[in-house]
Amino acid sequence: DAGVTQSPTHLIKTRGQQVTLRCSPKSGHDTVSWYQQALGQGPQFIFQYYEEEERQRGNFPDRFSGHQFPNYSSELNVNALLLGDSALYLCASSGGGGRTNTEAFFGQGTRLTVV
Amino acid sequence: AQSVTQLGSHVSVSEGALVLLRCNYSSSVPPYLFWYVQYPNQGLQLLLKYTSAATLVKGINGFEAEFKKSETSFHLTKPSAHMSDAAEYFCAVSGRDTGRRALTFGSGTRLQVQP
Repeated sequence: DAGVTQSPTHLIKTRGQQVTLRCSPKSGHDTVSWYQQALGQGPQFIFQYYEEEERQRGNFPDRFSGHQFPNYSSELNVNALLLGDSALYLCASSGGGGRTNTEAFFGQGTRLTVV
Repeated sequence: AQSVTQLGSHVSVSEGALVLLRCNYSSSVPPYLFWYVQYPNQGLQLLLKYTSAATLVKGINGFEAEFKKSETSFHLTKPSAHMSDAAEYFCAVSGRDTGRRALTFGSGTRLQVQP
């Protein structure tokens, strides 16, 4: 079991650009959540997907959007990048098989630097 | 609304000494509580979780935590620190009223273990 995998591991973007981050959930999981972790802070919830729809959303602007595919993998898109978007982006997977009360497993994260 | 407060952004102990990391929560619904550990440049790993069974929860690597409703606390302890315990520790809370729950994290406590 490969666990939760994220790509890329690092990337550098320029202000105003757009970025797409990818996540493959742990085998058997159908729910993907995205978190932003700024340097020296705890992760903050961005949004959660299951059944290919956004189900919950944290306090993030519309520049942050996502998608979930039929195979449960997910993308996080950020438009019009700001310097303040520089952070570690974490993907977590959970659920699946009718089991909704399961712990979240986290990927290694994608380190985004906006210059 | 839910929130987590971790008292002490940095804790330093000697190898073999007791580890105590403090976490207080606020939740309008009965909470689920978690402790995660994060090693440098890595994602989050679940140490333990409280989901309304026993109030004293045992986790991996010798860690345990006790849920105290009257004190709204969920402090993490380990009787004897090891050098490999040096990492960032996050307390998190979620509600148990929905099947798929977003996690609300504290700001983290960096544990240093001195030889």
